[in-house]
Amino acid sequence: NAGVTQTPKFRILKIGQSMTLQCTQDMNHNYMYWYRQDPGMGLKLIYYSVGAGITDKGEVPNGYNVSRSTTEDFPLRLELAAPSQTSVYFCASSPWTSGRAETQYFGPGTRLLVL
Amino acid sequence: DAKTTQPNSMESNEEEPVHLPCNHSTISGTDYIHWYRQLPSQGPEYVIHGLTSNVNNRMASLAIAEDRKSSTLILHRATLRDAAVYYCILRARNNAGNMLTFGGGTRLMVKP
Repeated sequence: NAGVTQTPKFRILKIGQSMTLQCTQDMNHNYMYWYRQDPGMGLKLIYYSVGAGITDKGEVPNGYNVSRSTTEDFPLRLELAAPSQTSVYFCASSPWTSGRAETQYFGPGTRLLVL
Repeated sequence: DAKTTQPNSMESNEEEPVHLPCNHSTISGTDYIHWYRQLPSQGPEYVIHGLTSNVNNRMASLAIAEDRKSSTLILHRATLRDAAVYYCILRARNNAGNMLTFGGGTRLMVKP
């Protein structure tokens, strides 16, 4: 299994440009997540999904959109890039939980610089 | 989810045990205690989790205080590859989305 894969690894955007960060998992996990991590800080949840067709906002959703049309893919869309969105973005997935504590599996991250 | 408090940084010598503390005085009875770590330039990875009893796995041990208001992650023999930021996270049992709330973590430095 490849686990959680993210593309691209690194991207430079100009202010106002848009882009989609791709995330794919091959573990058949129901749950998927997008986090951002600013320098020296912990991760903050942007959006999450508990299954195909279902998404919900996390702590910092403004400026982002997501969709979940398949179990495997969970792309993150930036419509109008701003310098404040310069960050490292991590995608994660998790099996369905029935009240147990399930592990989240993280991708390698996408480093985004907005100039 | 309840809040955790960890030291910003700790140092250890290679091949010595490391005890990473975490305070969670407002933990509820159904909160799980999770530990993740993040190696430089990588995504976080799961280390261990527990509810009430101490736990061991191939990576580490988790010691949970009897009143559950604190816990300690134990690395039995630190290696240079254990240098990372370690996050202690509480996850409510009824957290339907299995979401994690990351704090600042403890940066562990391992000296050769």
